[in-house]
Amino acid sequence: DVKVTQSSRYLVKRTGEKVFLECVQDMDHENMFWYRQDPGLGLRLIYFSYDVKMKEKGDIPEGYSVSREKKERFSLILESASTNQTSMYLCASSLEFSGSSYEQYFGPGTRLTVT
Amino acid sequence: QKEVEQNSGPLSVPEGAIASLNCTYSDRGSQSFFWYRQYSGKSPELIMSIYSNGDKEDGRFTAQLNKASQYVSLLIRDSQPSDSATYLCAVTPIYNFNKFYFGSGTKLNVKP
Repeated sequence: DVKVTQSSRYLVKRTGEKVFLECVQDMDHENMFWYRQDPGLGLRLIYFSYDVKMKEKGDIPEGYSVSREKKERFSLILESASTNQTSMYLCASSLEFSGSSYEQYFGPGTRLTVT
Repeated sequence: QKEVEQNSGPLSVPEGAIASLNCTYSDRGSQSFFWYRQYSGKSPELIMSIYSNGDKEDGRFTAQLNKASQYVSLLIRDSQPSDSATYLCAVTPIYNFNKFYFGSGTKLNVKP
């Protein structure tokens, strides 16, 4: 079974703090993703990475950065947390597209509250 | 226009009935389609993937894809209260098979 883990289930931070969210997958997947999910807005892609040290912006990258130093680990960084970044953050991973199965598998999520 | 559209619901069905969930997408070249189930407060869990026109069955679940009409549906037979959740449809655009577009989800309530 694919296992994707995230460093925290719940996190409370103050405005202006630098926040690190970590994600680890154990299935040797090439691709890793960070989403945020908000009521009424659905899942929105922040960043994804298709290889170590490679990254691409998603639909809402502003205010975020990412790091992928090892294949199994993908970190999301909020440089200066703001209240509008209060959300559920979901990490996912998948195999590189090969014409067959490459479904995305999600971690348990981190509910971040910025006060 | 959103890439993926779903009726937000809630869709209410009695226990034992067939629940039918629908999803339409805007990119005619989309190649891959996925259904996820998400319980309240939890992360999405993959139920099924479908890549070609027609039906794909897995237990009580059947995914149906019609590329000409640009819709994909999920049928849940013999619905159980434990099926009560939000169901997300996801689609990959033709230009990037690694990028998923998610619908906002349909909330399903199965009443005992």
